[in-house]
Amino acid sequence: AQKITQTQPGMFVQEKEAVTLDCTYDTSDQSYGLFWYKQPSSGEMIFLIYQGSYDEQNATEGRYSLNFQKARKSANLVISASQLGDSAMYFCAMREESSTNAGKSTFGDGTTLTVKP
Amino acid sequence: KAGVTQTPRYLIKTRGQQVTLSCSPISGHRSVSWYQQTPGQGLQFLFEYFSETQRNKGNFPGRFSGRQFSNSRSEMNVSTLELGDSALYLCASSLDQLSTDTQYFGPGTRLTVL
Repeated sequence: AQKITQTQPGMFVQEKEAVTLDCTYDTSDQSYGLFWYKQPSSGEMIFLIYQGSYDEQNATEGRYSLNFQKARKSANLVISASQLGDSAMYFCAMREESSTNAGKSTFGDGTTLTVKP
Repeated sequence: KAGVTQTPRYLIKTRGQQVTLSCSPISGHRSVSWYQQTPGQGLQFLFEYFSETQRNKGNFPGRFSGRQFSNSRSEMNVSTLELGDSALYLCASSLDQLSTDTQYFGPGTRLTVL
C-alpha cells in the first residue's frame, strides 16, 4: 500500500539558514508524483514543488528544492535562506497512476517548521 | 486565475444535523477531490469527482457523500453529524487524475460539531 513517512514532527531553523525536511515513500507503481505543501496556521494547503518519478533532475522552485533519491525512495525538501514566514506545517504527498488511487493524494503526518529570528 | 474557493469557511452544527459544503475549482480543472483533516488522523481522502462521476472513494461511512455539477463545482454532504466529524474539510482541484497533475487546495471549511 502507498505510504508517506515524515519522521520529523518538529524542526527548528535559524533565520537565513537552510533546512531539510525528510520524506520517504512506498509505492509499487512505476509512475508517480511527489509533492510538497505548506500549511500555515490559517489552514490553507499551499503547493510548493513537484517531482515526477521519471524526472532525472531534482526539482527547484525559488528557495525550494527537492532532493529526489529514487533508489532510496526519498524526496526531501530543502528550504534555503529560511524566512520567518516559512514557519508552518509542511506535508509531503504522493499521487499514483493506478486506477485504485485515482484522484487521490496520500499525505505524510507533516513536519512543523519553526524559524527563529 | 482565481484559486479554489470553498464555502462556508466556518460552520457550527449539532449532533444529528446534516451539512453541505461547497467547492469551486480552478477554471479548467475537471477533477475535484475532498479531504478530511483532523489532529488525530491527519489528512484523509474522502472522494474524487471527474466530469460529474465519482471515480474514487476513501474509507468513510455512507453518511459522507458528494456530487459534482456540469461546471465542475462540487458539494459534499455529511448527514447525521457526529462529534468526530469535527474537522477541517479541504477541497482540491486538478486538471485530471494523472500522477503529474498537481492538486491545488482551497482554504478549507472548518466544521465544529457540538
